[in-house]
Amino acid sequence: DGGITQSPKYLFRKEGQNVTLSCEQNLNHDAMYWYRQDPGQGLRLIYYSQIVNDFQKGDIAEGYSVSREKKESFPLTVTSAQKNPTAFYLCASSAPTGGSNEKLFFGSGTQLSVL
Amino acid sequence: DAKTTQPNSMESNEEEPVHLPCNHSTISGTDYIHWYRQLPSQGPEYVIHGLTSNVNNRMASLAIAEDRKSSTLILHRATLRDAAVYYCILNNNDMRFGAGTRLTVKP
Repeated sequence: DGGITQSPKYLFRKEGQNVTLSCEQNLNHDAMYWYRQDPGQGLRLIYYSQIVNDFQKGDIAEGYSVSREKKESFPLTVTSAQKNPTAFYLCASSAPTGGSNEKLFFGSGTQLSVL
Repeated sequence: DAKTTQPNSMESNEEEPVHLPCNHSTISGTDYIHWYRQLPSQGPEYVIHGLTSNVNNRMASLAIAEDRKSSTLILHRATLRDAAVYYCILNNNDMRFGAGTRLTVKP
């Protein structure tokens, strides 16, 4: 079945440690997005990528890094510089660039907690 | 920052219609209006979208103002399973979400 897979579902980070959240899609979508969601809050955009080997910062990119080496993959690294990483992280994708008619497809999310 | 404004919360009775408003006064001519909803501990799911004309699908209807500066998501008969956070966003390259409207459905 086509879709977006995020892993792991739950992740724990020790202080000073970098962790990487996986996001893979088999929908042949060009655009991919990472969002952070804190309890009771809306989604905030961290990074987005419209095409392979290119990505842009969102509203809260500090302390995070991404790569887009393959069309189907958009991993997010939460670095030690992110002092408050505990949150629910959501990955999404949409069809080819420039199609504002295209809807977003979301993964099931990763809950990151600090030990 | 998000380019849409929605009420923080709304309540409805089961099996009654619900009208969820959204203001987007800075909308550009090419921005589609999209609605998503998010159930607890899940990723958001697509509900409906439109550009200028009103739209209907099996989940909901979307009414778009003539000047396109506001829109309304209409759930014709709310059920308990419709309790969720509803997000209205303008679909452009950066896909920014606001805080959404938390809909409570009372039995």
